[in-house]
Parts: sequence; structure tokens; C-alpha cells
Amino acid sequence: ETGVTQSPTHLIKTRGQQVTLRCSSQSGHNTVSWYQQALGQGPQFIFQYYREEENGRGNFPPRFSGLQFPNYSSELNVNALELDDSALYLCASSWDRAAPQHFGDGTRLSIL
Amino acid sequence: AQRVTQPEKLLSVFKGAPVELKCNYSYSGSPELFWYVQYSRQRLQLLLRHISRESIKGFTADLNKGETSFHLKKPFAQEEDSAMYYCALIRAGGTSYGKLTFGQGTILTVHP
Repeated sequence: ETGVTQSPTHLIKTRGQQVTLRCSSQSGHNTVSWYQQALGQGPQFIFQYYREEENGRGNFPPRFSGLQFPNYSSELNVNALELDDSALYLCASSWDRAAPQHFGDGTRLSIL
Repeated sequence: AQRVTQPEKLLSVFKGAPVELKCNYSYSGSPELFWYVQYSRQRLQLLLRHISRESIKGFTADLNKGETSFHLKKPFAQEEDSAMYYCALIRAGGTSYGKLTFGQGTILTVHP
């Protein structure tokens, strides 16, 4: 069974730029959730996608957006990057919305 | 809104000693609780969930709805238990269905 994979592993951007992070869900999973983890903090829920539809959103501004594709892979897009967006971005997939979530290794995003 | 609190950021014990990682939550509905673990240089992974009522790697956790707690316990700690532990809650219904809310984590160090 193939686990959750995320790309890229590291990314450096400057303020005001846009970024796209990618996630391939685990085989058999139809739900993808995205989290932001700042240094020393627990992961914070950004949003969840279930069968290509957004299924709930955390307290993040609209410049954080996402997509889920028919193969259940997903993208996280962040526009107008700010310094505070520097964090580890985690993707998790599950076979249903409230089922146990399986995490990827994350993408480390640094904003200069 | 739901909240998860892990009061100890750091916990140190000696090998063979009992260990208890504390977790308290606030949520008005019926939550599902999880413990996730992250070993050094590994991804976040599910350790156990309360509805399974199973013991994983010698760890157990009991949901106490009266005290709104879900403490993780192990009678005899091992050096390989050293890791970051996160308690997490999921809401099963309403908006943000499937959203995992994490505590800030506890770093457990087991000394030889």
C-alpha cells in the first residue's frame, strides 16, 4: 500500500508570491485534509476535501485555497504569501471524512 | 469550539517507570479522541483511538467524559517510546466534519 506523499519537501518563497503544494493520497482513500504546523505548535486544520468537494474549513483566510482531483490527490494554494505563512504543511488522507487520518512527511515552507 | 490541552510540554522518565501523558479536551458534543505519535525523523502516525479500546505498543488511553480527559498511559516505559505525542479530537458532524483538533504536544524522553 502506497502511503501519503507530498511535494516538494522544502520550498523558499518571498513575501507576496504564490505557492502550490501537492499531495497524493493513500491508495483507497477519498478524503484529504490539510494542516499548518508552526514551530513548537500542534497542527492546525486548514480544510478538508471529500470526493472533490470542500468539506469544512478552519480559521484561515481565503488566500488559502485548495483542490481535489478525480484521483483524490490534492493541492493547497496560498496567494500573497506573508512571513507568518512559514510553517510545515501537512497533508493527511483517510477513507472517509471522520476516519483515522494518515499523514505525509509535510512540505517545509519558508518565506523570506 | 473544541479545544485540546496537553499541559506538559516536556516529560522525562526512566526506563521501566510508569508514564502518563495528560490530555484534556473541551467539546460540547460526543468527540472521538486519538493519540498520534511522531518519532525522530518520522512522520506523524496514529497510535490509538478511543473507540478501538486496544493497546498499542503497551499504551492505553481511557476516555473519561466526566473529567473530559483522555490520558495516555504505559506501565513500563521503554527508550524507544521517546517521541512527540499529540492528543487530537475529531468532531463527527456539523460544519468542519472530520476536522482534527490537536493539542500542542508533549515531548517524552525515556532515559536508560
